[in-house]
Order: sequence, then structure tokens, then C-alpha cells
Amino acid sequence: AQKVTQAQTEISVVEKEDVTLDCVYETRDTTYYLFWYKQPPSGELVFLIRRNSFDEQNEISGRYSWNFQKSTSSFNFTITASQVVDSAVYFCALPANQGGKLIFGQGTELSVKP
Amino acid sequence: GAVVSQHPSWVICKSGTSVKIECRSLDFQATTMFWYRQFPKQSLMLMATSNEGSKATYEQGVEKDKFLINHASLTLSTLTVTSAHPEDSSFYICSPQPDGNSPLHFGNGTRLTVT
Repeated sequence: AQKVTQAQTEISVVEKEDVTLDCVYETRDTTYYLFWYKQPPSGELVFLIRRNSFDEQNEISGRYSWNFQKSTSSFNFTITASQVVDSAVYFCALPANQGGKLIFGQGTELSVKP
Repeated sequence: GAVVSQHPSWVICKSGTSVKIECRSLDFQATTMFWYRQFPKQSLMLMATSNEGSKATYEQGVEKDKFLINHASLTLSTLTVTSAHPEDSSFYICSPQPDGNSPLHFGNGTRLTVT
């Protein structure tokens, strides 16, 4: 069955610290996508990344980086030099099937304090 | 700019009334629309999947007669919460899918409060 686990419910850091949000998944598919979304206090979901399981290279986008380890079924997200504006709930997600509906992890609430 | 428009952003209604939420895809045609619900401090859970011109498919535990979904065109889907109760208070969010791949974008969500 498809499943996404984000074991960290809440993380609190001080500005400029690096922080890693963990995501572990289970899937019966041989090829699949993985997603990360940010949900700020205002509620909207902001798309951060979509990664194809074929591509195991780590990705960096500014202060954000993602570490995809197929061998351990993990897709971790690191924010370098965190800022107060990074405070949000972050969700990792996996398609439930080829049809596109997403299974979300429980979310990790990140609080970055000045 | 936004590719998905969802209205209203928030709504407060009395028990027993109905509320309609609209979701429009602005930059593409959405053959499929996903509707999610998020209770406070919880994750997003899929409620139903609608395909343009056909009946919606509901997830287990979601009452189809209570949550009416209409997907009459390739750019518009509506979710109507009928005879709303306080336990229906939640954050409802849509996600149109343009093709066979997983959707990237979501509407800004509708926060429903039933008093």
C-alpha cells in the first residue's frame, strides 16, 4: 500500500540554523513521483518539488535541497540558513496510484524563531 | 500568477444550510479534479475525485449525498456541502489535474466554519 511517514511532528529552530525534514515512503510502484509542499499559516499549499524515482540525484534550489535515497525509501528536505518566513507546515506526498491523487504524510510543523 | 482559483476563501454558515465552493483551473483544462479536506492540525485527506462530465468517485467514509460535486466543464468544478453541521467545519482544497500526471497545483483553499 502507498504510505508516507513524516515522523517529525514539530521542529523548532533558531534563524540561520540548518534543518532537515524527514520523509519515508512505501510504494508498490516501480516508478513513481514524490512531492514536497509548503503550507504557510495562510493555508494555501505551495508546490516545492516533484521528483521522479528514476532520478536519484540530489537537487538544490537556493536554500532548499532534497536528498532522495531509493534504497532507504526516503526523500528528505533540508533548509539551509533557515529564516522566519520558512515557518510553515511541510508535507511530503506520493501518488496513490497512476491516476494522480496524492497520499500526504502527516506534515512537519517548522517554527523558525528570530 | 495563480493557475487555480478557489472561492470563497472562507465562509461562515449556520447549521443546516448549504455552501458551494468553486474551483477553476485558469491555465489549463482539468479533466480530473481532486477535492481534499484538512481538519485542524491534521494532514490533507482526499474526499473525492471528479471527472468532467461524469459522476464523482468518493473515498471511503465520505457521504456522496452530503458533498455534492459537479464537474460540468474542463475548467470548473464545484463542491457543495449540503445541510452543513459543525463537524463539517474544515479546510477544503481543490487540485485540478491537466493530464495523466500528478497535479502540481492546488487552490488556495476554503475555510468553512459551521456555527
